[in-house]
Amino acid sequence: SQQGEEDPQALSIQEGENATMNCSYKTSINNLQWYRQNSGRGLVHLILIRSNEREKHSGRLRVTLDTSKKSSSLLITASRAADTASYFCATASGGGADGLTFGKGTHLIIQP
Amino acid sequence: GAVVSQHPSWVICKSGTSVKIECRSLDFQATTMFWYRQFPKQSLMLMATSNEGSKATYEQGVEKDKFLINHASLTLSTLTVTSAHPEDSSFYICSARELVVYAGELFFGEGSRLTVL
Repeated sequence: SQQGEEDPQALSIQEGENATMNCSYKTSINNLQWYRQNSGRGLVHLILIRSNEREKHSGRLRVTLDTSKKSSSLLITASRAADTASYFCATASGGGADGLTFGKGTHLIIQP
Repeated sequence: GAVVSQHPSWVICKSGTSVKIECRSLDFQATTMFWYRQFPKQSLMLMATSNEGSKATYEQGVEKDKFLINHASLTLSTLTVTSAHPEDSSFYICSARELVVYAGELFFGEGSRLTVL
């Protein structure tokens, strides 16, 4: 079953604006990760945040994690046309041997 | 980061035939490999987990006789879709994990698009 649920399902913004995507999950986790997928391609790992972390930055990306609300957000600042892709959150619950459980994803379109 | 290669990238086959997809870790030894399936505009669904030298563990609802997984070495796992039918058409993605050098990080292949006519 799907662990993560992203919202919005689709988001269209102008280049230069910030994009925020949210993810909720249901069970306890070890970490939460965000991935990007360009159309018809594999996944690109963006950032991992551990269950004992609340916020993490990587370049133009900012991820927050609220384990009490079982939710995470991904903020992309100063968006670019190349950021157009689908973004998925994925949770890991096991001790390292389990596969990731992916959310439904947010399709982000950056309009030039 | 490490590289995971999938082959073929895309395949078209007739209904009833079997199709094999390979997943290779190119510069590391993958202790565990995972196979995912993705329908158009949908998320990735974990199909099975395979560890080198042992039988794959399938997720609920995934037919193990339909989707044969072999993990014969630390760098290669194969997924065979047996007697494929149009409803098996999908995007199949593998990922590999190595626990020591890369501390358990998952690396994904580029995916294999299967179209069954």
